[in-house]
Amino acid sequence: EDQVTQSPEALRLQEGESSSLNCSYTVSGLRGLFWYRQDPGKGPEFLFTLYSAGEEKEKERLKATLTKKESFLHITAPKPEDSATYLCAVQDTDKLIFGTGTRLQVFP
Amino acid sequence: NAGVTQTPKFQVLKTGQSMTLQCAQDMNHEYMSWYRQDPGMGLRLIHYSVGAGITDQGEVPNGYNVSRSTTEDFPLRLLSAAPSQTSVYFCASSYRLRNSPLHFGNGTRLTVT
Repeated sequence: EDQVTQSPEALRLQEGESSSLNCSYTVSGLRGLFWYRQDPGKGPEFLFTLYSAGEEKEKERLKATLTKKESFLHITAPKPEDSATYLCAVQDTDKLIFGTGTRLQVFP
Repeated sequence: NAGVTQTPKFQVLKTGQSMTLQCAQDMNHEYMSWYRQDPGMGLRLIHYSVGAGITDQGEVPNGYNVSRSTTEDFPLRLLSAAPSQTSVYFCASSYRLRNSPLHFGNGTRLTVT
């Protein structure tokens, strides 16, 4: 069964404390993996697309990586404004499957 | 640059009532879709459209209807609201059906009593 699992469900960090969010997937044919950021009361906002194992993308304090079974979103020296829910979505051959997200809180 | 605009932001319905959630995009995207987001579950696809006049069902289509008469607009109709349809609804658009980032609206929070 096609599945996308994100961990942890919630993460609390001190400002400056680096960490990683995980998105593991089981799909028949990966066509792409997407990361989104969602703020409370807002729609998801696109961050990155990764297409093949070994690929990496960076944006400010965020870096996304991809292997054949999982993707990581690394957050380096986070700030309180990085607090949000981070969603992962996997494009299979014929459908897009979303994970349930990791809720990140960064405290000053 | 408005992007994807959804109205209303909040709505309360009684069981059995009908209503239409509005969605408009100004990016000339061919692909538009409706998702619902429930606690503890990933976004689930309700209906989608790959162009004006073309619609198809997603993962959870029952109780919902859509039409696409123009490229810009993609309304979602609830035919007879049920408490199970209490959710947050998101409209999204993209350049194409697959492997293209989705642009989301800010959602409609619907409560059915």
